[in-house]
Amino acid sequence: GAGVSQSPSNKVTEKGKDVELRCDPISGHTALYWYRQSLGQGLEFLIYFQGNSAPDKSGLPSDRFSAERTGGSVSTLTIQRTQQEDSAVYLCASSPRGAGEQYFGPGTRLTVT
Amino acid sequence: GENVEQHPSTLSVQEGDSAVIKCTYSDSASNYFPWYKQELGKRPQLIIDIRSNVGEKKDQRIAVTLNKTAKHFSLHITETQPEDSAVYFCAVGVSGTYKYIFGTGTRLKVLA
Repeated sequence: GAGVSQSPSNKVTEKGKDVELRCDPISGHTALYWYRQSLGQGLEFLIYFQGNSAPDKSGLPSDRFSAERTGGSVSTLTIQRTQQEDSAVYLCASSPRGAGEQYFGPGTRLTVT
Repeated sequence: GENVEQHPSTLSVQEGDSAVIKCTYSDSASNYFPWYKQELGKRPQLIIDIRSNVGEKKDQRIAVTLNKTAKHFSLHITETQPEDSAVYFCAVGVSGTYKYIFGTGTRLKVLA
């Protein structure tokens, strides 16, 4: 079946602009995660959604970052007033139940100029 | 909160030799420890995982060992091959949540 997809694959934006990154998880997966991967760095947890529970936003680096998950499926990560330090690859992952294997998407490479 | 440290950051081995990567964690209540492999330009993929009720798990050339007392777990790759070259990440499931904290990664190079 189809894996996790993300769009766009690449995004170049000017400093100060807002961006939206989209994630389509595997159908039926109840858990959805967002991570940030800076060049040569590890995976930094941002936020996760599990079923109908309130999302865990503890990893969001500032109030410029927010995320939504509509209808328990598609998720959008929004970064307002982008800064150069926001440049990174943003990875989305989904999991059948949250406790187990995560399936990652291909990522969105964000470049803030 | 949970803290995960991963060592070494880079590792070069000769083809056929073994490679060992180690991670330590801080929360003794953590109970799920996966390892992911990320090849250049590709997405991370799970290669093996272990839960706290076992001490070791093997899958062909790959094994993971867990020492709950010392709060560390290790990835062992035997008979390394060039296609094992990648970045490997450990992760720890935060107790009571579905949140995972990842290590900073180990870049493994297998020299032919």
